[in-house]
Amino acid sequence: GAVVSQHPSRVICKSGTSVKIECRSLDFQATTMFWYRQFPKQSLMLMATSNEGSKATYEQGVEKDKFLINHASLTLSTLTVTSAHPEDSSFYICSGSGGAGGELFFGEGSRLTVL
Amino acid sequence: AQSVAQPEDQVNVAEGNPLTVKCTYSVSGNPYLFWYVQYPNRGLQFLLKYITGDNLVKGSYGFEAEFNKSQTSFHLKKPSALVSDSALYFCAVRDWGSGGYQKVTFGTGTKLQVIP
Repeated sequence: GAVVSQHPSRVICKSGTSVKIECRSLDFQATTMFWYRQFPKQSLMLMATSNEGSKATYEQGVEKDKFLINHASLTLSTLTVTSAHPEDSSFYICSGSGGAGGELFFGEGSRLTVL
Repeated sequence: AQSVAQPEDQVNVAEGNPLTVKCTYSVSGNPYLFWYVQYPNRGLQFLLKYITGDNLVKGSYGFEAEFNKSQTSFHLKKPSALVSDSALYFCAVRDWGSGGYQKVTFGTGTKLQVIP
């Protein structure tokens, strides 16, 4: 299957700082990328959907000013958690899709810990 | 609104026995259905998908799933379970909203425990 590279895999930051997570599709063009958040022993919560070159569509309850998503190219999307707080600590997973009807290919996830 | 239900939080099965992980869905149009597996602290790996065609879909690692339109189900199956199959399994449905907006919804996940 196609490969999605997500970095960093783990990040620890102080409260109030910003953290950027990168998601790259290595061998396909991801026209659409999805960002998920996963709490321990829980399912994936869709945060936002982004199409290359367009603004992201955020799910209800997700603060767009706090979770900045950029999808500047067909192979790169970034999630920036601004002014992070301990409650933002979570496992964030990105996924990319190359087109209609296609399966999603997932990154390995990023474990964010805010102190 | 589309939804996916995985009624079992955990499924235990003895090694060598057949396994089934259940999934039912609700979607307005024709569903695109998927199964994914997640190992601890890892991303999700694609197992198989149903878009159209044969109701029995074969995927990775010997897994298969049966699409049943009348029961709106897409249960994951394997004839003979391995200890290495122990993981968290997610069913997902993909739908298309107005304006080409896509949405993928995941079930709550089922933990599969294969007992040696």
